[in-house]
Amino acid sequence: GAVVSQHPSWVICKSGTSVKIECRSLDFQATTMFWYRQFPKQSLMLMATSNEGSKATYEQGVEKDKFLINHASLTLSTLTVTSAHPEDSSFYICSATAGTRLYNEQFFGPGTRLTVL
Amino acid sequence: DAKTTQPTSMDCAEGRAANLPCNHSTISGNEYVYWYRQIHSQGPQYIIHGLKNNETNEMASLIITEDRKSSTLILPHATLRDTAVYYCIVRVANRDDKIIFGKGTRLHILP
Repeated sequence: GAVVSQHPSWVICKSGTSVKIECRSLDFQATTMFWYRQFPKQSLMLMATSNEGSKATYEQGVEKDKFLINHASLTLSTLTVTSAHPEDSSFYICSATAGTRLYNEQFFGPGTRLTVL
Repeated sequence: DAKTTQPTSMDCAEGRAANLPCNHSTISGNEYVYWYRQIHSQGPQYIIHGLKNNETNEMASLIITEDRKSSTLILPHATLRDTAVYYCIVRVANRDDKIIFGKGTRLHILP
C-alpha cells in the first residue's frame, strides 16, 4: 500500500514550452502533497506544499507563476512548468502523506526527469 | 536548514552491518526521527522512524540515544542494493509537516 506514481517518468521539451507533471496516490487519499526539485548531485529541495482544494504554499524563492500547482482531487496533484528554460532541467519528485493510519510518513513518487533543450 | 548532521559518505563491506550515525541535538520533544534513502535516479524511500524507543522493521533498526540528541540507523546485512543516499530527518508526525532534506550520507556497499 501507499504507492505514489508520477507521469511522465521523463520528458524532453523545447525552451519556451510548458510541461505538465502528474502525481497520483494510487491506493490512498492524500490531502497533502509536496513537490520537490533535485539537481544533479544535490539534495531534494522543497518547492511547494499542495493541499486539496486550496492554493499551494510555495517555498521562498520559488516562482508561483512559473511552477503552477493544482491539487484538484484527493489523489491527484499536477505541476506545470510554464515557459520552460534549460535551467529548469531537473528531477522533479512529488510526495504525499497517508494520514494517521500510517503515522503520516511521506511516500514519494519515482520522479520525473525534465530536460529542456 | 536541516536540523540534522550526517557524515558525507561511508563505505561498508557487503554482508556486514552498516551503521549510519545522525546528530540532531536540537530535536524537540514532539519531533520524531525519520530515515529515508534515495537510490540513484529514484524517489526517496521511507525506511523507519521513531520517537524515543529503539525500533526495528524488515529493513533496518533505529537506535535513539536516551537524550534523543543522536541516533543510528543499522542495516544488519548490507547488500549492493543498499547503495544509496540516506537521509536522517526530524519532524513532527503531522501530515502537513514538510520535510527539509539535508545532504544525507552517501553509503557505498563494497563487494
